Amino acid sequence: DSGVTQTPKHLITATGQRVTLRCSPRSGDLSVYWYQQSLDQGLQFLIQYYNGEERAKGNILERFSAQQFPDLHSELNLSSLELGDSALYFCASSVRGDNTEAFFGQGTRLTVV
Amino acid sequence: AQSVTQLDSQVPVFEEAPVELRCNYSSSVSVYLFWYVQYPNQGLQLLLKYLSGSTLVKGINGFEAEFNKSQTSFHLRKPSVHISDTAEYFCAVAFYNQGGKLIFGQGTELSVKP
Repeated sequence: DSGVTQTPKHLITATGQRVTLRCSPRSGDLSVYWYQQSLDQGLQFLIQYYNGEERAKGNILERFSAQQFPDLHSELNLSSLELGDSALYFCASSVRGDNTEAFFGQGTRLTVV
Repeated sequence: AQSVTQLDSQVPVFEEAPVELRCNYSSSVSVYLFWYVQYPNQGLQLLLKYLSGSTLVKGINGFEAEFNKSQTSFHLRKPSVHISDTAEYFCAVAFYNQGGKLIFGQGTELSVKP
């Protein structure tokens, strides 16, 4: 157990809908990262937050947004869902913002039908 | 462009044989290097990391990797594999002073056969 908690574990939704994925980082970790894992794109960095502020942005679609709350948990919002958004979404956390060691959650498997 | 290439998508090997999973990266700045393992239906677990210092890095479960700056490689090795090592292995790079994002390779599926 990495100490990073992601909910829900599985999510099935229809095209055009909006979902929210939640991540609770390890106790004491200030930085949260979101990654998408799909068969065609592999593991792609989406976005990083550090102590509530956006730190780095990757290939995140405009339909996706994220935030980190004062208690340091993070949410990833995916809207206007398309079939191609079906993937495993991972959250990771680290103490610092430079990712010298990041711990990954078990992921949320999103299926868009 | 900064990228990570895992040279083998699948590596079949017999139990107790040695294995090497290859990883090359491309970068114009200093890097931190990582190997992660993903077991079926699970998240990513850190096997080992290179931040600085000795180029030979030892990790968990008997794995080790060697950083070769001139060849921009970070190959993962284990002298004797077990059935339980069957999993997907990912090489990843973080770039110095560029925040915390990891760039991952496409993964190598290690299949250990009895």
